[in-house]
Amino acid sequence: QQQVKQSPQSLIVQKGGISIINCAYENTAFDYFPWYQQFPGKGPALLIAIRPDVSEKKEGRFTISFNKSAKQFSLHIMDSQPGDSATYFCAAREAGTALIFGKGTTLSVSS
Amino acid sequence: NAGVTQTPKFQVLKTGQSMTLQCAQDMNHEYMSWYRQDPGMGLRLIHYSVGAGITDQGEVPNGYNVSRSTTEDFPLRLLSAAPSQTSVYFCASTPFGKGYNEQFFGPGTRLTVL
Repeated sequence: QQQVKQSPQSLIVQKGGISIINCAYENTAFDYFPWYQQFPGKGPALLIAIRPDVSEKKEGRFTISFNKSAKQFSLHIMDSQPGDSATYFCAAREAGTALIFGKGTTLSVSS
Repeated sequence: NAGVTQTPKFQVLKTGQSMTLQCAQDMNHEYMSWYRQDPGMGLRLIHYSVGAGITDQGEVPNGYNVSRSTTEDFPLRLLSAAPSQTSVYFCASTPFGKGYNEQFFGPGTRLTVL
């Protein structure tokens, strides 16, 4: 059973556009929802994270929207740039346990 | 700080061979873990440790062993390599506890089993 479902698998966005990646979860005990960014040949790196007591968090061009009742959260990348081209993973964690990752979204931003 | 380091970066094994993937961190993090990454599968947890002397299994532990004799090191052993273990392996560390702590990943080891 896949605990964190991520969509779409791949995404192509024009430069300056908005990239949106969605994730859904089932475990209501999850209390931490990070997004990781991974460039080819590198390890994943934390991009932005949110807790379930907050509905939105913004850091620069990156925003997490969190809907606790729907058990969904999403990553929005505003003014997408070619340098944002990477694989993005959503994740979730229950306190004191390991991160559970979605399957990833490959984002390509065309110039 | 060097962060999380992994060696080797690349490795080719023949079926049945054994080897150890090395992972070290210099941030005094209690929690360390090993993931494998396969195309379209995301990152799947192999084994993890909440401190020296304590290890536990993750989602895909079969064919792998771990030990944690020190806080800094968390090696992953492949006992008898199989082609299904061809993957990219990532080690990660984080301060343990209920806090919302960032998990730091190493650069990965790309393993091919022929």
